[in-house]
Amino acid sequence: AQSVTQLDSHVSVSEGTPVLLRCNYSSSYSPSLFWYVQHPNKGLQLLLKYTSAATLVKGINGFEAEFKKSETSFHLTKPSAHMSDAAEYFCVVSDRDDKIIFGKGTRLHILP
Amino acid sequence: KAGVTQTPRYLIKTRGQQVTLSCSPISGHRSVSWYQQTPGQGLQFLFEYFSETQRNKGNFPGRFSGRQFSNSRSEMNVSTLELGDSALYLCASSFTGTSAEKLFFGSGTQLSVL
Repeated sequence: AQSVTQLDSHVSVSEGTPVLLRCNYSSSYSPSLFWYVQHPNKGLQLLLKYTSAATLVKGINGFEAEFKKSETSFHLTKPSAHMSDAAEYFCVVSDRDDKIIFGKGTRLHILP
Repeated sequence: KAGVTQTPRYLIKTRGQQVTLSCSPISGHRSVSWYQQTPGQGLQFLFEYFSETQRNKGNFPGRFSGRQFSNSRSEMNVSTLELGDSALYLCASSFTGTSAEKLFFGSGTQLSVL
């Protein structure tokens, strides 16, 4: 059975400092992995996805994530946080049965 | 190109009533999936429709049902509402609904049950 765990429910960083949002997954097969972002009162928007090509995936707005099979992780990073990055971020796993599982989300706070 | 449209944006109902939510996918998308989002449980998958057929179903009681029309628009119905049904209901569309495909989300319908 597949599952996804976001290790932090809240993360606070200062503007201009790096962002790290952690995600661990469990899947019986080679999964597809995604990060989505949800700004207040908005739907979810895809940041990036991994589908067994390059292990380092670049997304929109300067975000990237690295797939590490040995650690079953897919952490999301950004070198320098911006105030507009304040939002909730969801790690998502999907396998060949087309079942999609969302993590519980990490709320990112950006301090001025 | 218009995005995924959900109506209404807000709903207030009382316990025991029923409610119908609507979702219009992006033109050309044939898969529509529904999610319930609450602060405690996060996003939970309700069901997915493709070409008018329910293809996947989450772990929700039978009070939650849905359907999809020939133009790919989808409706979700909740009967005999309970307080715990208060949530943001999101729908998402994609071309085929396969696992590696990007989902396009609507802004959701915020349902409050009093």
